[in-house]
Amino acid sequence: GENVEQHPSTLSVQEGDSAVIKCTYSDSASNYFPWYKQELGKGPQLIIDIRSNVGEKKDQRIAVTLNKTAKHFSLHITETQPEDSAVYFCAASWGSSASKIIFGSGTRLSIRP
Amino acid sequence: NAGVTQTPKFQVLKTGQSMTLQCAQDMNHNSMYWYRQDPGMGLRLIYYSASEGTTDKGEVPNGYNVSRLNKREFSLRLESAAPSQTSVYFCASVPKTGRGETQYFGPGTRLLVL
Repeated sequence: GENVEQHPSTLSVQEGDSAVIKCTYSDSASNYFPWYKQELGKGPQLIIDIRSNVGEKKDQRIAVTLNKTAKHFSLHITETQPEDSAVYFCAASWGSSASKIIFGSGTRLSIRP
Repeated sequence: NAGVTQTPKFQVLKTGQSMTLQCAQDMNHNSMYWYRQDPGMGLRLIYYSASEGTTDKGEVPNGYNVSRLNKREFSLRLESAAPSQTSVYFCASVPKTGRGETQYFGPGTRLLVL
C-alpha cells in the first residue's frame, strides 16, 4: 500500500546551523506534499507545502524541495533558532478523496544553544 | 476564531468503559477528520467526514464510531475501550473536500486506557 518514510527520527543541530529532513513516498500519483510542525502539547501546524508541478519552494528560513523522479522531498531549515525545536511531519496526498493523505512517522528536531 | 477545539484534554478510562471525544470548528470547513498519534507512527486516520451528513472509514477504524452532528461538530466514540486505544487523538478540518488542502488540527485529547 501507500507509504511515506521519514528520516531521521531524531536530529540535533547547533543553533545557527542548518537542518534537513527527508521523506520518500511510494505512490507516483501523489501530488501534494505538506510539512507540519508540532510543538509540545499542541496539534500539528502547517509550515510549508509544495505541489507536484513545483520543484522548490521557500518561505524565509524554510524551504522544501521535491524530486518526482526519485519520489522524495525534503525540508530545509537554515539559521536554526531555539524555537525551531519541535517534531516535524511530512505527508503525501493524492487524488480527490479526502482520505488519501499519509503522514511520515515524524522527526524530533532539537536545537543546541 | 477559536479554530478547532477538542474536549476533553485528558481522560483516563478503564478497559470496557465508553466515552465520546468532542470536536468543533468555527471556520465553516466542509471536511473533518479524526487521527490517532502513537510514538514512532505518525498520524493515522481513523474516520473522516468529507461533508455534513457523510462519514467514511480511514486506515484504523476498528473499535471506533463517529457522528457528524452538524457542519461544526464531529465526535468520536469508543464503545468499549481497550488498552490498545491509549493514544493522543487529534481532530482536523479542511475548508473543502479535495486534494491539496491544508489540514487544521485541534490541540488533541490524551487518552489512557487501563
